[in-house]
Amino acid sequence: DAKTTQPTSMDCAEGRAANLPCNHSTISGNEYVYWYRQIHSQGPQYIIHGLKNNETNEMASLIITEDRKSSTLILPHATLRDTAVYYCIVRVAGDSWGKFQFGAGTQVVVTP
Amino acid sequence: ETGVTQSPTHLIKTRGQQVTLRCSSQSGHNTVSWYQQALGQGPQFIFQYYREEENGRGNFPPRFSGLQFPNYSSELNVNALELDDSALYLCASSFGTEYNEQFFGPGTRLTVL
Repeated sequence: DAKTTQPTSMDCAEGRAANLPCNHSTISGNEYVYWYRQIHSQGPQYIIHGLKNNETNEMASLIITEDRKSSTLILPHATLRDTAVYYCIVRVAGDSWGKFQFGAGTQVVVTP
Repeated sequence: ETGVTQSPTHLIKTRGQQVTLRCSSQSGHNTVSWYQQALGQGPQFIFQYYREEENGRGNFPPRFSGLQFPNYSSELNVNALELDDSALYLCASSFGTEYNEQFFGPGTRLTVL
């Protein structure tokens, strides 16, 4: 699986959009971009995934560049409950081997 | 809440001992994956069980072993505990092997003294 690079930490004001970048310059054509987050003292939680088209769900939007070498997770209106570590992962979708390779992630702190 | 439960919540062991951690998967899920998360790091994949068989393993020594039972619950066993085994152990369940979303439990915090 390709590796990802994320900033170590970032702050965001409550009510504003949080834009979380991720670089995955060695991503393969059949690898998807996944985002998970981990709130303190809990297990990771799935947010969204995509291949090359932008994706949106009730939690977030995922914007993937045309060359697929980077992506941005957007939390449209950050709340204090969005404070968490956010992980960007690349993986072959439906990989029967099952492994998700988590990096260190980005610690996002949402402030009032 | 994901419906995935783990026990115990916390555990303290001494070096050289053996430990068993337990996981009950979400209803309807037949795949369980185990991860180790050291302090300040992301979770690292240990192995996955599907229909009671190991179906993939990460870079962990054989003293890390597991079981999956007919009701799809699972155990993680670690023999000859080392200080570096101190970590949060996470269990995740899903349906089938070709999935995109895993549902994680709250984890078991293991401390090895």
